[in-house]
Amino acid sequence: DQQVKQNSPSLSVQEGRISILNCDYTNSMFDYFLWYKKYPAEGPTFLISISSIKDKNEDGRFTVFLNKSAKHLSLHIVPSQPGDSAVYFCAASAQDSYGKLTFGQGTILTVHP
Amino acid sequence: DTGVSQDPRHKITKRGQNVTFRCDPISEHNRLYWYRQTLGQGPEFLTYFQNEAQLEKSRLLSDRFSAERPKGSFSTLEIQRTEQGDSAMYLCASSSGTGVRKLFFGSGTQLSVL
Repeated sequence: DQQVKQNSPSLSVQEGRISILNCDYTNSMFDYFLWYKKYPAEGPTFLISISSIKDKNEDGRFTVFLNKSAKHLSLHIVPSQPGDSAVYFCAASAQDSYGKLTFGQGTILTVHP
Repeated sequence: DTGVSQDPRHKITKRGQNVTFRCDPISEHNRLYWYRQTLGQGPEFLTYFQNEAQLEKSRLLSDRFSAERPKGSFSTLEIQRTEQGDSAMYLCASSSGTGVRKLFFGSGTQLSVL
């Protein structure tokens, strides 16, 4: 039972353009959502998060949008840079889950110079 | 903030051997998590500690797996009688638990069972 899904295994974008990574979830109890970035042979690094009481959160080049009715969130990276090339994981947690995160399968982002 | 530290970074073992991994969380963090990640998948939750108490274990954690956090600081994850299917990246994460809901991850231990 995949409660968090990232349906695009990979995304290729030109430097300077927008990268849009998508994530869907099924568990209505999830109320906090995060994006992590992962380089090979390293652990995931926190990027940005959003609470279910918001529909948008912005941090520099990164913006996360949440559509609760559609159970969908997306991460926008503008402008994309070659250093953004990595695997991006969407994760979700429920209020009473001790902070336990449920992850999607990840999307490999490649930003070409 | 010295970050979450995991040791070893890599472990190669033969099927049937026992292995033990260590995790040192960020010092003031009382919550500690173990995850496992296989190729092409996201990290999967294995178990969670609040201080020294193990409060949740995933169904993924078979009887061959045991985790401890004896003094509420570092944690160990032991796999007995390893199988080839145990080959994965084992990730440790910690959080302060005080309204902060993001986890800080270590670099992981890559286990290869031959």
